[in-house]
Parts: sequence; C-alpha cells; structure tokens
Amino acid sequence: DQQVKQNSPSLSVQEGRISILNCDYTNSMFDYFLWYKKYPAEGPTFLISISSIKDKNEDGRFTVFLNKSAKHLSLHIVPSQPGDSAVYFCAASASYNFNKFYFGSGTKLNVKP
Amino acid sequence: KAGVTQTPRYLIKTRGQQVTLSCSPISGHRSVSWYQQTPGQGLQFLFEYFSETQRNKGNFPGRFSGRQFSNSRSEMNVSTLELGDSALYLCASSLAAGGADEQYFGPGTRLTVT
Repeated sequence: DQQVKQNSPSLSVQEGRISILNCDYTNSMFDYFLWYKKYPAEGPTFLISISSIKDKNEDGRFTVFLNKSAKHLSLHIVPSQPGDSAVYFCAASASYNFNKFYFGSGTKLNVKP
Repeated sequence: KAGVTQTPRYLIKTRGQQVTLSCSPISGHRSVSWYQQTPGQGLQFLFEYFSETQRNKGNFPGRFSGRQFSNSRSEMNVSTLELGDSALYLCASSLAAGGADEQYFGPGTRLTVT
C-alpha cells in the first residue's frame, strides 16, 4: 500500500522554464515532507523540506508547496537548468515517528538545453 | 567530513544464499536507516537503528534483519535470497532519532540475485 505516490514517472521541461513535480499522500498523520534528488549511481540527496504548519517553503530556485486538505505537495523549480535532470523523490513522515519515511516512486526530470 | 559509505557497491548472489551489506554513517551520526529501491516502487523503508537498537521496522519478511554496532556502523542481512530481492539497497544516516532531521544517503549496494 503506497502511502506516498508520484503519479508521473517522468517529466521533460525546456531549460529556463518551470518544472513542477507532484506528490500525493494518503496518511493524514504525515506532517513532515521532504524532497530528494537522485543522480545515477549516487544516493538521494536532500533538497528541501516542509512541515505541516507551513504551506510553502522556498530555497533559491526550489519551492515546495503543501496543500494539506488535498494531501498534495509539489516541488517547483524555477528556472530549470540541465543540471537539475535527475530523479526526484518525495518523502513523508509523521512527527511521532520522524525517522520512518515513506517515499514515492520518483519522477525522472529531464531538462532540455 | 566523509559521507555515508556502503560496501560492497555491487553484489551478485544466487537464490537461497544469504548476504550481508555494510553501512558506515557520517561521523557523529547515530541513526542509520535502510531502504530497498526497486523500479516503480521507490524507496521502501526496511528498518532504522539508533544507538544499537532497532527503533522502526518496515513491512518486510523476517529474512531481512539488521544490527548496529557501538561505532554506529550498521549491517543488513538477507537470508534465503529470492529473485525479488534484487534491488538497490540504500542506507541513510542522521544525527537524531525521533527528530525532524534530514537523512544523508550512501550510494547504495546493487544486489542481483540469479
């Protein structure tokens, strides 16, 4: 039972445009969310997080939006760069069990020059 | 500061065998979590260790086990390997247990079961 879902396995975007990666979750107890980026042959690296007390968190070109009522979060990358091409995973956890993360299946982003 | 290291990086085993994977966390990190990544399934949580104790466990059969040593290094063991165990096994370390702390992942061990 996938509690975190990324329904788009891949996304292709032109350099300079916005990339929007989506993630849905089913467990209403989740209150902490993260995005990871993964390059081939490397482990995922932490990108940005958001807790349920906020609905937006920005870090440079990366912004994560959280819609708690829809149990949906999204990652916006503006402007997209070819170096952003990677697989992006969203992950969620509940505050009573922070170190048990549930991951989505990933979205492969391709930013075309 | 050195990152999370995992050994071996690649492994080929046959059905029925057992395998042990090793993970060395970032210095000072006491929490180590293990994940299995298969195509289409994303990362699935196996278990988490903190101070040599298993704190969390995912929904995997008892063939999957682990342990953590006093220096925080962790090992994961899979017994009676099945073809479906072929996957990338990732470990992640973090400073705290039970806190909102980011995890740092190792490069993974690619296990192929034939």
